Amino acid sequence: AQTVTQSQPEMSVQEAETVTLSCTYDTSESNYYLFWYKQPPSRQMILVIRQEAYKQQNATENRFSVNFQKAAKSFSLKISDSQLGDTAMYFCAFMKPPNAGNMLTFGGGTRLMVKP
Amino acid sequence: DTGVSQNPRHKITKRGQNVTFRCDPISEHNRLYWYRQTLGQGPEFLTYFQNEAQLEKSRLLSDRFSAERPKGSFSTLEIQRTEQGDSAMYLCASSLVNEDIQYFGAGTRLSVL
Repeated sequence: AQTVTQSQPEMSVQEAETVTLSCTYDTSESNYYLFWYKQPPSRQMILVIRQEAYKQQNATENRFSVNFQKAAKSFSLKISDSQLGDTAMYFCAFMKPPNAGNMLTFGGGTRLMVKP
Repeated sequence: DTGVSQNPRHKITKRGQNVTFRCDPISEHNRLYWYRQTLGQGPEFLTYFQNEAQLEKSRLLSDRFSAERPKGSFSTLEIQRTEQGDSAMYLCASSLVNEDIQYFGAGTRLSVL
């Protein structure tokens, strides 16, 4: 079974600064997908960024980038130029390849507060 | 594309009552998932469907829980004889088969008194 661990229950950052959220996971699979999802207060979860394990290049989406270290089973999220709208719960999630079942295994989440 | 829709958004019930939630996925998505999220925790997988077939169920899905997707479109999740421990947010997500990105609804928050 896969496990996902987010060791930072809460973090805060000043607007316009950079923050990094940590995630580690455990799996015996060699091919899989990793995700960061954002859940704003009382709103639905939305995908921030995804990484395919067989790709060595780290994924980037505008102000969001990941540091994927496969050997260390680490998948951190960096948010640059933080904005007030980035305030949310952030969940790291793991998925085996879609043809092996699509369920997501989530970490416990990190609550991020962006301060003006 | 109106996204994944869940109804009701909130449900308050008394212990021992039955409740049913509905999820309408994105129209062309063949896969539909149910997750449960307790306060301050990450979502946990409950079950998923491909079209009308229920392909996997978590051990979290006790005998009191049943999910259906009769025509491969919307899905219902029923909880019988609710218990206080069932209080949680129930999330629905959908995806295309063999694609990894899941799109979530806003959830149904259940409070069992």
